[in-house]
Amino acid sequence: DQQVKQNSPSLSVQEGRISILNCDYTNSMFDYFLWYKKYPAEGPTFLISISSIKDKNEDGRFTVFLNKSAKHLSLHIVPSQPGDSAVYFCAASSGNYKLTFGKGTLLTVNP
Amino acid sequence: GAVVSQHPSWVICKSGTSVKIECRSLDFQATTMFWYRQFPKQSLMLMATSNEGSKATYEQGVEKDKFLINHASLTLSTLTVTSAHPEDSSFYICSARIGEYNEQFFGPGTRLTVL
Repeated sequence: DQQVKQNSPSLSVQEGRISILNCDYTNSMFDYFLWYKKYPAEGPTFLISISSIKDKNEDGRFTVFLNKSAKHLSLHIVPSQPGDSAVYFCAASSGNYKLTFGKGTLLTVNP
Repeated sequence: GAVVSQHPSWVICKSGTSVKIECRSLDFQATTMFWYRQFPKQSLMLMATSNEGSKATYEQGVEKDKFLINHASLTLSTLTVTSAHPEDSSFYICSARIGEYNEQFFGPGTRLTVL
């Protein structure tokens, strides 16, 4: 039973446009959410996070939105760059610091 | 800052042998280290949580006698895959947590292939 779901296995976007990556979760005990970026054969790199007491967190080109009532979060990348092409993982934790990951979304930014 | 290294980056071994993977936090002391496994096109699956000086906590379904974890210091944790079999072939990744922060910083991973 997947508690963190990324329903889109892939997303293709033109350079300069907005990339929107979505993530849904089922466990209402999750109170902290993170996005990681991963290149093939490398470990994930932390991008941005958000606590459940907030609904938005912004860091440069990356913004994460959290809708607790819908148990949904999204990562917006604006503007998208070819170097952003990677697999993006959504992760969630519930106070015990263990992370539960989604299956990831492969983002391709076309020049 | 917050760099985590793993060694080796890849290893090929014969079935029945044991393989040790090291995870080091290079510029910080890690409160807790975690070991994950990732199969192709799957998410990262947490195998165990490791605290310095104490026994690791294994996730359900992970055999503690097969995946031995030693956390000897605040900067080093090791995972030993004992009596490896082809089905143990996977990408093993460690991560480290600093203090009370929720973020985990990941190592580059180790590709294990068991022949």
